[in-house]
Amino acid sequence: ILNVEQSPQSLHVQEGDSTNFTCSFPSSNFYALHWYRWETAKSPEALFVMTLNGDEKKKGRISATLNTKEGYSYLYIKGSQPEDSATYLCAFETDSNYQLIWGAGTKLIIKP
Amino acid sequence: DTGVSQDPRHKITKRGQNVTFRCDPISEHNRLYWYRQTLGQGPEFLTYFQNEAQLEKSRLLSDRFSAERPKGSFSTLEIQRTEQGDSAMYLCASTTQRRAEFFGPGTRLTVL
Repeated sequence: ILNVEQSPQSLHVQEGDSTNFTCSFPSSNFYALHWYRWETAKSPEALFVMTLNGDEKKKGRISATLNTKEGYSYLYIKGSQPEDSATYLCAFETDSNYQLIWGAGTKLIIKP
Repeated sequence: DTGVSQDPRHKITKRGQNVTFRCDPISEHNRLYWYRQTLGQGPEFLTYFQNEAQLEKSRLLSDRFSAERPKGSFSTLEIQRTEQGDSAMYLCASTTQRRAEFFGPGTRLTVL
């Protein structure tokens, strides 16, 4: 059974501080790792799709790294702002089908 | 608005009733996914269409659930004889090839 785990489950961060959280996924049959942000009352929004070991992607203050050999990805947020409050989901895509296997998410709350 | 749309946004029904949800994907997207999301969990895969063909269906999906995409455009998800455990957010997403999925706003189902 393919399993994707995210940690921590939730995180409270002071505005202005930087933070990071983890997504662990199977290291076999890897095709891509997706990160999404899901704000309350909105749809999940794609942040990054990463396919290569060692990939690092950046979007504003948010960046992500990928290690496919050991099966983990980190998401970093620099200088957290209240609008960063959301649940951050990662999803693992295998090379054998088109189904994404989702983690349960890390709920990030930025304290002003 | 050229995003993914879902209708209705909220549905309250009594146990034992049938419900049907609709998803209109982004027009050029040939892939369409249905997910279910319950509190504290990530999206759970239900089924996947490529054009009008239903290529994959979760083994967790009971026979009470059926989905169609008759012309390869919009899709419907029907739940027959609803149970309280069916209460969840039902999300639809679309994409083309192996790219990030675009999600609709979801239909929140409450079964009383």
